[in-house]
Amino acid sequence: DAGITQSPRYKITETGRQVTLMCHQTWSHSYMFWYRQDLGHGLRLIYYSAAADITDKGEVPDGYVVSRSKTENFPLTLESATRSQTSVYFCASSPMDEQYFGPGTRLTVT
Amino acid sequence: GESVGLHLPTLSVQEGDNSIINCAYSNSASDYFIWYKQESGKGPQFIIDIRSNMDKRQGQRVTVLLNKTVKHLSLQIAATQPGDSAVYFCAENGARGNTPLVFGKGTRLSVIA
Repeated sequence: DAGITQSPRYKITETGRQVTLMCHQTWSHSYMFWYRQDLGHGLRLIYYSAAADITDKGEVPDGYVVSRSKTENFPLTLESATRSQTSVYFCASSPMDEQYFGPGTRLTVT
Repeated sequence: GESVGLHLPTLSVQEGDNSIINCAYSNSASDYFIWYKQESGKGPQFIIDIRSNMDKRQGQRVTVLLNKTVKHLSLQIAATQPGDSAVYFCAENGARGNTPLVFGKGTRLSVIA
């Protein structure tokens, strides 16, 4: 089915482990984004990408790494997870202005 | 700094009444605005958008009004239904063309049956 998907939907990991969250879109949108959503902070932009092989930092990039070798995929990696990275992570894609969001990944770091 | 905010963090309305959710923006250069609805456990869902060359845009049961003079954006929901209960976010683009959207913190709408 067309759309934007995220995997896994739920993840529990330990402090210090590397974790990769996957995002896949079937629309061939140029832009893709990663946000985290925490109570009291709303949606905060982590990284975004304007096209394959082009990425830029957002508001809260520290501790995260992204890559975009293909237009349809935009994985987010936590290189060494910390408890402060416990959050709900949303991926989004955009053809121009409006963004379309995935269902989210709830990540818990213990 | 520039920010997108909301006048009311929570709003309770009777089923069947009209709802109005407000948003103030501070970046006068923004030329694109958008409203999202987020239900519990789900990702934000696009509702309606508007560009700065318009002051009103209507969708199905929803209307967005833009007042550039006072930098105010509102979302009107007609005949509010229980399924409208959610958190609503406004966002702006900062007028830099394809700039990531700047989101407000959200207003929770509760519909009373």
